[in-house]
Amino acid sequence: AQKVTQAQTEISVVEKEDVTLDCVYETRDTTYYLFWYKQPPSGELVFLIRRNSFDEQNEISGRYSWNFQKSTSSFNFTITASQVVDSAVYFCALNSYNTDKLIFGTGTRLQVFP
Amino acid sequence: EAGVTQFPSHSVIEKGQTVTLRCDPISGHDNLYWYRRVMGKEIKFLLHFVKESKQDESGMPNNRFLAERTGGTYSTLKVQPAELEDSGVYFCASSQVDGGGADTQYFGPGTRLTVL
Repeated sequence: AQKVTQAQTEISVVEKEDVTLDCVYETRDTTYYLFWYKQPPSGELVFLIRRNSFDEQNEISGRYSWNFQKSTSSFNFTITASQVVDSAVYFCALNSYNTDKLIFGTGTRLQVFP
Repeated sequence: EAGVTQFPSHSVIEKGQTVTLRCDPISGHDNLYWYRRVMGKEIKFLLHFVKESKQDESGMPNNRFLAERTGGTYSTLKVQPAELEDSGVYFCASSQVDGGGADTQYFGPGTRLTVL
């Protein structure tokens, strides 16, 4: 069975701190895709990144970076120099090559205080 | 380009009543999905349309839920009769290509349903 675990329910940081959101996944498939979505207070789910299981290169986009490690089945998300606007719930998700059904974690609420 | 839109944004109904949620996908997206998040738990898949056909409805909780996508454009999700445990946020998503999991799903803002 497929599963995504986000063990951190809530994280609070002060602006300009770095913060890492953890995501651990389980799947028996060799071809799969991992995603991160952001849910700001307005409610919509905003797509951040998609990685496939054959690409373990870390990715950086501005203050955001992602660390994909198949050896530990983790796909962690780091925000560098956090800002108040980063406050949101962040979801990690997984699907396999043979399905379009996204399996989500329970989300991590990040609060960035000024 | 307009994103996925959902209507209403919030609905409050009493147990036993009927509610219909609507989703308009991104123009040109053949794939449309419904998900639900109940009481702060994980977001769970309900069903998947490819154009007007139901590709996967394995996540539909019971026969009180009916989803339609006539003409392959917008979709509706009807709950009849609503029960207390149906309260939650209903998300709709769409994607362009049926790529066997590879395509990115873009989500709408959700409809918050409260059943009293």
